[in-house]
Amino acid sequence: AQSVTQLGSHVSVSEGALVLLRCNYSSSVPPYLFWYVQYPNQGLQLLLKYTTGATLVKGINGFEAEFKKSETSFHLTKPSAHMSDAAEYFCAVSVAAGNKLTFGGGTRVLVKP
Amino acid sequence: EPEVTQTPSHQVTQMGQEVILRCVPISNHLYFYWYRQILGQKVEFLVSFYNNEISEKSEIFDDQFSVERPDGSNFTLKIRSTKLEDSAMYFCASSTQTSLSTDTQYFGPGTRLTVL
Repeated sequence: AQSVTQLGSHVSVSEGALVLLRCNYSSSVPPYLFWYVQYPNQGLQLLLKYTTGATLVKGINGFEAEFKKSETSFHLTKPSAHMSDAAEYFCAVSVAAGNKLTFGGGTRVLVKP
Repeated sequence: EPEVTQTPSHQVTQMGQEVILRCVPISNHLYFYWYRQILGQKVEFLVSFYNNEISEKSEIFDDQFSVERPDGSNFTLKIRSTKLEDSAMYFCASSTQTSLSTDTQYFGPGTRLTVL
């Protein structure tokens, strides 16, 4: 069975500072990895995903994540936070195309002016 | 841009009552899912549906739950006799015919279910 751990349920960053959200996964087979964002009163929107190939994945809104198999990690970064990045971010893993997503607990990001 | 829609956005019901949560997946999608998120907890998988049958379900998805695609556009989740612990946000998702590089689940905005 797969699992996901997100370190830090809340992260506070200053506008313009680096955003780093940590995600570690456990999977018995090569994983598919995802980051979703949830803005207040909205559904989950895909930021980026890793399936195969290049381990550095670029997504929407300037976010990127790097798959590190040796560390079983898929941390999400953005070089410069914007006020509009305030949201909750979820890391998720799947073990096959079409299979269920297993989510981490989420990290709520607060951006200070 | 096509999107998954869900109705209602909020549903309040009495314990023991039946509820039906409705979803309209993206039109060319073939895989459908329900997830739920109890307040303060993780998003949890409930069930996946493909080719008019359940392809996978979690231990949460017991006999009180059922899913249906009644008319080729809607995808519904029925809870036969609601319990207090069913109070949660319920998300519907859909995805295309899968391939190794194009498996993305698109989520609806959710239905907040409150059981009193």
